[in-house]
Amino acid sequence: DIQMTQSPSSLSASVGDRVTITCQASQDISNYLNWYQQKPGKAPKLLIYDASNLETGVPSRFSGSGSGTDFTFTISSLQPEDIATYYCQQYDNLPITFGGGTKVEIK
Amino acid sequence: EVQLLESGGGLVQPGGSLRLSCAASGFTFSSYAMSWVRQAPGKGLEWVSAISGSGGSTYYADSVKGRFTISRDNSKNTLYLQMNSLRAEDTAVYYCAKVFSVTVTTDAFDIWGQGTMVTVSS
Repeated sequence: DIQMTQSPSSLSASVGDRVTITCQASQDISNYLNWYQQKPGKAPKLLIYDASNLETGVPSRFSGSGSGTDFTFTISSLQPEDIATYYCQQYDNLPITFGGGTKVEIK
Repeated sequence: EVQLLESGGGLVQPGGSLRLSCAASGFTFSSYAMSWVRQAPGKGLEWVSAISGSGGSTYYADSVKGRFTISRDNSKNTLYLQMNSLRAEDTAVYYCAKVFSVTVTTDAFDIWGQGTMVTVSS
């Protein structure tokens, strides 16, 4: 199985700050990497697909980059409504696997 | 509006069975593979099972293989997960999810249901 190592597991930042989350795959997954946002009590929401493509309707402050084994997710200017847990997910090989999540809080 | 609505969750004793349903609307259901993803209380996301658009191909996580069966009825636009020999560690919110692209089995999940809670306890 492909292991997805996400870091940090939690972070606290101020409104307007740039926030970066990393995800490392245990083997090359090309660009088969997606990012989700999950707010408490809600289903996950797709933000970024295929490493760097912004899902329709998602604000442009969210972005993703990377390929192979190392990926980055960025919020360019943190907003109060971005408080959530973020997950990466690979779909290069079954089983599909998710990173452990990053909980983003406001400082 | 594209929508997925799960049902069938509840409290079940260890060793028991439960069948989850996921009713789809707003898209051509038979064209898309579907998956079940679960989340134990306070934990992360775990992929459980996937099924192709036709229903002819199915895939399972090792943790549920031999106990869970995924199926679909394209005439009813409904996805199912039959869960047998349930264990305490199966306790979770179960989400059904639609893949992003037509004809592929694995992909981003662009539409999720609201989730249904399954609790396995005596």
